[in-house]
This record gives sequence, C-alpha cells and structure tokens, in this order.
Amino acid sequence: EAQVTQNPRYLITVTGKKLTVTCSQNMNHEYMSWYRQDPGLGLRQIYYSMNVEVTDKGDVPEGYKVSRKEKRNFPLILESPSPNQTSLYFCASRGIQQGFEQYFGPGTRLTVT
Amino acid sequence: AQSVTQPDIHITVSEGASLELRCNYSYGATPYLFWYVQSPGQGLQLLLKYFSGDTLVQGIKGFEAEFKRSQSSFNLRKPSVHWSDAAEYFCAVGAGYNQGGKLIFGQGTELSVKP
Repeated sequence: EAQVTQNPRYLITVTGKKLTVTCSQNMNHEYMSWYRQDPGLGLRQIYYSMNVEVTDKGDVPEGYKVSRKEKRNFPLILESPSPNQTSLYFCASRGIQQGFEQYFGPGTRLTVT
Repeated sequence: AQSVTQPDIHITVSEGASLELRCNYSYGATPYLFWYVQSPGQGLQLLLKYFSGDTLVQGIKGFEAEFKRSQSSFNLRKPSVHWSDAAEYFCAVGAGYNQGGKLIFGQGTELSVKP
C-alpha cells in the first residue's frame, strides 16, 4: 500500500531536549515536505526536499533542521524545542509526474512544555 | 504573493441539508486547487482537485467543487450532508515548483452537523 508514515504519532517533551520525527514514503517520490498545522493558520511549509541531499527552507524554518540521505526518508529535527513549536506536524511527498498533488502522513502531535 | 482565504471559520448545518464551503485564492497563473478533509484526530484526505478542463470537479464522498476564475473561487459543495461529514476542511493552492511544489493552505473551515 502506498503510504507516508510518521513516528512518533504523539510526543510530549520538555524545552531544550532534542528530538527527531521520522518520515518515510514507499512511493519512490522525489519531493518531500514538512508542514506544521496551527489553529487558525492552516498548514505552513517548514522545509522541503527536491531529492536526496537537496533540501531548502519553506515558510517557517526557524528552529528546525532536516536531512535527506535516502530517497524514502526525510526526518525533521528539533535541536532545542521550545513551547512555540507545540503543533501538529505533517510530512508529505509527491512524485515529479503528479503536479502539486501531495500524499500526507498521519501527523505527529508534538507538545513542548 | 499567493494566498488562500476560507472566510468561514466554523459552519453548522443540519443533517440532510446542502453545504457550501467558500474558498478564495490569489494566484497569478492558472491555479492548481485542492480540497482536503481532516476528521478529528486524523490526517489529511484529498477530496478533490482541479488542474484544468471542466470547471466542475467531482470528488469522493459526494463532494464537488466549482472553479470560477472570474471570482478567484473554488467553493466546495455537497447536496446532502451526513453526520460523518463533520470535520475540518482545507482549501489549498499549489505554489511554485521552485519551492518543492508546496501547497498554500487556507485557515480551514470546521463543519459541525446537527442531527
């Protein structure tokens, strides 16, 4: 089954404790993105990757890092989480031939206290 | 700059009534438009999309949307709402390919369904 998976689905952590949210897709897609969803703001792109070793900032990249060492994986790293990063995070992927249509993961709800 | 506006934050309709959710976009070129639905505690599910051609687009779960270029709108409709349609609905427009083909989302409209 074609899918995007994220782990963990729920995470509660404390300020400053480094964490990684994993994202994996099994569709051999070139493009992958991370979004965060906040009430009243919809989803906003954090970072994106156009292929292995090619990443760039989205609209709200501050406080986040990403890497793309393998085509299927695109982890989101919070080196020093802060309470304003409490949010719902979505990973997404799309293939070159699919225009803008993206496949979304199930989401990771992060709470930073 | 590209943007998407969903004017209604929250809508309540009775079960069996018709539904229209509004979406207005700002985009210079021909837009790629999407409607997603997010059920409570769930991820995003694509309802329908518009790339070109017929301006009335059919989607899953009995939803349809109409692209009106003159009004910069892409409103979502359903003739008869079911209780299971209660969810949050997001309109989105595809932005530049040089940004990884990102989607720009509206703020979302939360739909409640009265029995």
